[in-house]
Amino acid sequence: KQEVTQIPAALSVPEGENLVLNCSFTDSAIYNLQWFRQDPGKGLTSLLLIQSSQREQTSGRLNASLDKSSGRSTLYIAASQPGDSATYLCAVRAGNNRKLIWGLGTSLAVNP
Amino acid sequence: NAGVTQTPKFRVLKTGQSMTLLCAQDMNHEYMYWYRQDPGMGLRLIHYSVGEGTTAKGEVPDGYNVSRLKKQNFLLGLESAAPSQTSVYFCASSIENRFVGSGNQETQYFGPGTRLLVL
Repeated sequence: KQEVTQIPAALSVPEGENLVLNCSFTDSAIYNLQWFRQDPGKGLTSLLLIQSSQREQTSGRLNASLDKSSGRSTLYIAASQPGDSATYLCAVRAGNNRKLIWGLGTSLAVNP
Repeated sequence: NAGVTQTPKFRVLKTGQSMTLLCAQDMNHEYMYWYRQDPGMGLRLIHYSVGEGTTAKGEVPDGYNVSRLKKQNFLLGLESAAPSQTSVYFCASSIENRFVGSGNQETQYFGPGTRLLVL
């Protein structure tokens, strides 16, 4: 059974710091992995989607990597800003079906 | 474009009452989803739809019914609410829900959520 774990559950950093959020999954036979952002009281916003054949995806200050063999993905945020404060969730698609397996998220606080 | 909207934003129900949550999207997406989010449980798929007139069960469908009479709307119904259904409910939509082309068509767009409290 595929399980997705995100560590740490919460993270607090000063503004300007580069940081890494971690996502691990138990079954390496994934189809793709996605990173989402959730702001308090709001819905989720898709940040990056990495197909199983890809190693990384970049969007602005965000870079997501995927290592299927080790069951890990990282979300790298460069030069963090207070506006980056949110919960970041990763989700794995286990095969070409319609089901996403979700992690519980990392709550990030970037302090001015 | 409004994207994905949900009505209502917040609701309090008594055990045994019924209600319908409405999700609407203006992006002409084929696929729509209902999730619930609970502390320590992560997001769980309740029901989904692959097109107008179709519905299918997700991970936790018991106690819920859905309908997709129009492409842009996906309704989630609770016939007899229970305290265990206290949660935040999210609707989402996507162009596709499997790998097609670049894969970006899989991206799910979420609504702002409905907070439901069942007493």
